[in-house]
Amino acid sequence: DGGITQSPKYLFRKEGQNVTLSCEQNLNHDAMYWYRQDPGQGLRLIYYSQIVNDFQKGDIAEGYSVSREKKESFPLTVTSAQKNPTAFYLCASRSKSTDTQYFGPGTRLTVL
Amino acid sequence: GENVEQHPSTLSVQEGDSAVIKCTYSDSASNYFPWYKQELGKRPQLIIDIRSNVGEKKDQRIAVTLNKTAKHFSLHITETQPEDSAVYFCAASIVRGDYKLSFGAGTTVTVRA
Repeated sequence: DGGITQSPKYLFRKEGQNVTLSCEQNLNHDAMYWYRQDPGQGLRLIYYSQIVNDFQKGDIAEGYSVSREKKESFPLTVTSAQKNPTAFYLCASRSKSTDTQYFGPGTRLTVL
Repeated sequence: GENVEQHPSTLSVQEGDSAVIKCTYSDSASNYFPWYKQELGKRPQLIIDIRSNVGEKKDQRIAVTLNKTAKHFSLHITETQPEDSAVYFCAASIVRGDYKLSFGAGTTVTVRA
């Protein structure tokens, strides 16, 4: 999982602003995922991508957008339409050979 | 979609004792069940996983059991140590198709010295 990086580690946003969270992997994985983690809850799937130039909505996609122009990169934009964006955001990529999802270190987003 | 329930939400054990966490799932087509450990402020890390063609799997002090008929699986940690203190998440997935993982809400394990 050291091959997955996320930036920034901490992010502060004013209400009404869009922000983009970066996720990069050098593991040569086709599939990538974005999760949101809130205190006392499990990880909830926002968006996922099985291959370049293709992505699907997860369980809580409203207020978020993604792109997958390169295999290595899967950025997440938190839009102003997301009503409660303060959370810990985790990116993951999946090994085709083992099905294991490996997580990045996360970005903690706080709305001021 | 898949619904995964996890119990208990918190667990306190004496060092050296065993810890057991239980999860149930709703979709009988699920066939891959990983367990993740997450230390405070860190990323979740896979500690063990099991597939539906296996009933039990062990890795040193950690074991996972699966009952497909009852649709539940459990994590067993023996001889607990202070470094086992963390939040543990179970998950379930169908390996084929979209490979989406559905997570339980997590169990906070505290090992008392």
